[in-house]
Amino acid sequence: KAGVTQTPRYLIKTRGQQVTLSCSPISGHRSVSWYQQTPGQGLQFLFEYFSETQRNKGNFPGRFSGRQFSNSRSEMNVSTLELGDSALYLCASSLGPVNTEAFFGQGTRLTVV
Amino acid sequence: DQQVKQNSPSLSVQEGRISILNCDYTNSMFDYFLWYKKYPAEGPTFLISISSIKDKNEDGRFTVFLNKSAKHLSLHIVPSQPGDSAVYFCAARTGVGNTPLVFGKGTRLSVIA
Repeated sequence: KAGVTQTPRYLIKTRGQQVTLSCSPISGHRSVSWYQQTPGQGLQFLFEYFSETQRNKGNFPGRFSGRQFSNSRSEMNVSTLELGDSALYLCASSLGPVNTEAFFGQGTRLTVV
Repeated sequence: DQQVKQNSPSLSVQEGRISILNCDYTNSMFDYFLWYKKYPAEGPTFLISISSIKDKNEDGRFTVFLNKSAKHLSLHIVPSQPGDSAVYFCAARTGVGNTPLVFGKGTRLSVIA
């Protein structure tokens, strides 16, 4: 069974640009969550989608948005990039809303210059 | 306010000895706890979990202990191996309403041969 796939693995963008990251969950998993990891800050929750609906949202500005498609694949978008957005963005999938185990992808390393 | 705290940023242990990683939480509604292990440039890997109805869960060399009255959990690794060197994250969630996983900031474990 294939794991969670995130693309691209690495990305360099300039301040002010926008970026879209993609996540394909494990086959059969309908819940996708996104996290931001920065040094010393652990994993900060961004948002969670289930069946194309955003179920939970973390404390991030509106520049961060996401969506989920009917095949459970998810994208997150960051507009007007800032230097502080440089981080590892992780996607996790789980079976559904009551499943408590999340499986992570390898992440997308975003660098904003 | 950090709901899940890992107060030791790093820990060094000799190969063959026991590694004990600690985690404290403040939200009494948390009822499911997980430990993840993360190598550099990879996503976190699920290690072991425990429900609040238990006080201990064991899986091979890994044992998680939960002390609900103290709002404290710990991960024991016995015996420690060099391949265990990684960052370990504690995470928690509430069962009701499917709230997202809340992570600690992680503890970097170094197992010295």
